[in-house]
Amino acid sequence: GQQLNQSPQSMFIQEGEDVSMNCTSSSIFNTWLWYKQDPGEGPVLLIALYKAGELTSNGRLTAQFGITRKDSFLNISASIPSDVGIYFCAGPVNDYKLSFGAGTTVTVRA
Amino acid sequence: DTGVSQDPRHKITKRGQNVTFRCDPISEHNRLYWYRQTLGQGPEFLTYFQNEAQLEKSRLLSDRFSAERPKGSFSTLEIQRTEQGDSAMYLCASSYLTQRSGNTIYFGEGSWLTVV
Repeated sequence: GQQLNQSPQSMFIQEGEDVSMNCTSSSIFNTWLWYKQDPGEGPVLLIALYKAGELTSNGRLTAQFGITRKDSFLNISASIPSDVGIYFCAGPVNDYKLSFGAGTTVTVRA
Repeated sequence: DTGVSQDPRHKITKRGQNVTFRCDPISEHNRLYWYRQTLGQGPEFLTYFQNEAQLEKSRLLSDRFSAERPKGSFSTLEIQRTEQGDSAMYLCASSYLTQRSGNTIYFGEGSWLTVV
């Protein structure tokens, strides 16, 4: 089946830093989704990308749909303490099922 | 906020007991999904409904699991004769499939199940 590989697996960030994480797939996707999950909560949709090459922002977050359609990047600018959490990329396997990466855990260094 | 809501948020049960989770999707959404998530992993698809019809079930969904969506509104997920391996977060999600937005899925807050 389709596998999504996220990197890094975890990161420590300094408040105010810009950070980047990515997601690669063994197969082509026509949509990329980025979610953030806080402990004990469900994933919250951050950004949805629908077109290869698309660059979309949501506040301090920017995500790009890779032109090969096999990768996507998420950038967080000027990180703040509430950015801690687990970030998941996801792509549709078909029109009803999402495949998720294993997540990137972000911790803010005091 | 009229997002996806789930109840209960936490459930601790003894092995062998039955449990039921409820999900109320976003009102205009016609699709409803159940996913399961264990620690350190992303969510895994279990099943989905288009209106009231259950159209797909993952092989992860053993015969002890049953999901319903009467009248195409809320949904329930029942686990019978729970086992310790059923301990996980059960996530409900909904979506409205369109040509423009594809199938952007919105998740609820999840229901944590601990089987002791």
